[in-house]
Amino acid sequence: QKEVEQNSGPLSVPEGAIASLNCTYSDRGSQSFFWYRQYSGKSPELIMFIYSNGDKEDGRFTAQLNKASQYVSLLIRDSQPSDSATYLCAVKGVDSSYKLIFGSGTRLLVRP
Amino acid sequence: EPEVTQTPSHQVTQMGQEVILRCVPISNHLYFYWYRQILGQKVEFLVSFYNNEISEKSEIFDDQFSVERPDGSNFTLKIRSTKLEDSAMYFCASSDSGAPARDFGPGTRLLVL
Repeated sequence: QKEVEQNSGPLSVPEGAIASLNCTYSDRGSQSFFWYRQYSGKSPELIMFIYSNGDKEDGRFTAQLNKASQYVSLLIRDSQPSDSATYLCAVKGVDSSYKLIFGSGTRLLVRP
Repeated sequence: EPEVTQTPSHQVTQMGQEVILRCVPISNHLYFYWYRQILGQKVEFLVSFYNNEISEKSEIFDDQFSVERPDGSNFTLKIRSTKLEDSAMYFCASSDSGAPARDFGPGTRLLVL
């Protein structure tokens, strides 16, 4: 059974701090990794994706991938109260071109 | 900014009834998806659709489910005989290429009584 695991949280950080969200996956052959943000009662919103080991930066967001450890993370710099949401990690199935396997998400609270 | 739209936003139905959930993907997107999220649970893949046919489906997408692109803009999910456990938020998504499910619609909340 292919799994994507995330700590449910909540992760609470003060405004302006760096929030670090983590995700592990079970299928060693996975190649594509995605981070979505989901506000309560709303649909997922793609933040960024990463395919290669290392870091990928987009504005205040940095995705980090370590395939050897089967670990992907999302850093949010200068966290704002508006970043308070659930962050979903998703992995494209190894034997799939289209299917995303989602984690249960980490709830982030940014305290003003 | 183009968006994926879905109708209705809420649907209440009786067990055993048929429902059709409608989606209008972003116009230049070629890949279409349905996902669902049972309250408090993970987002789950149902089906992907490309070039007017199903490209992949999950074990959830059994014979009770079907998808159709009846014209150049709409993409529908039909549940033939709803069960209580079909109660969930159903999200349509579309992509041009690259990231699967790049753009999600706002969802249809389905409640089966």
